[in-house]
Amino acid sequence: GAGVSQSPSNKVTEKGKDVELRCDPISGHTALYWYRQSLGQGLEFLIYFQGNSAPDKSGLPSDRFSAERTGGSVSTLTIQRTQQEDSAVYLCASSPGQVQETQYFGPGTRLLVL
Amino acid sequence: KQEVTQIPAALSVPEGENLVLNCSFTDSAIYNLQWFRQDPGKGLTSLLLIQSSQREQTSGRLNASLDKSSGRSTLYIAASQPGDSATYLCAVLDSNYQLIWGAGTKLIIKP
Repeated sequence: GAGVSQSPSNKVTEKGKDVELRCDPISGHTALYWYRQSLGQGLEFLIYFQGNSAPDKSGLPSDRFSAERTGGSVSTLTIQRTQQEDSAVYLCASSPGQVQETQYFGPGTRLLVL
Repeated sequence: KQEVTQIPAALSVPEGENLVLNCSFTDSAIYNLQWFRQDPGKGLTSLLLIQSSQREQTSGRLNASLDKSSGRSTLYIAASQPGDSATYLCAVLDSNYQLIWGAGTKLIIKP
């Protein structure tokens, strides 16, 4: 596809369950970013990848959050033992190479933890 | 700690008017500033990116300015149209290569 895609588009889960969110960046983009937007709040940086490595994991809110990227393409954000405060829209973005370049965003995954 | 503020939080104007959205940031040590548009269910679209060495960028009816020393940026929309209705977000790329976001301005253009 031409843009960044994310799946699922919506996810409802029970507190305590694990969830996996997927991001397919634009083909050829080496940088990939995860953000989250909680209801009524601004966007919050979580993590970014340059290729398969994550130079900056400082935005991950707790050790229940992890992310990986394989083959320099698809990335998965995993949330273990979900809590209600994890409910948010999780956005993925990619950019061609350098962090300073324009980031292109996917439509997001809306996560609701009951 | 970098903080980004957008004013106003919401704005409603009649179609055809020119308007200005404001963004301010507390730390001038930035690499760039970006303006995004957020439509419900469609994710974010990048509108304009201004590098720290630049003063402004233009795209169609949009013009964004950057005054890094004073920590301010404006997004000017000329001849507004109902299709411009969206939430507009400002973000700065800080010295740690993190995008720090404002809370957005919700814009409604009335036909």
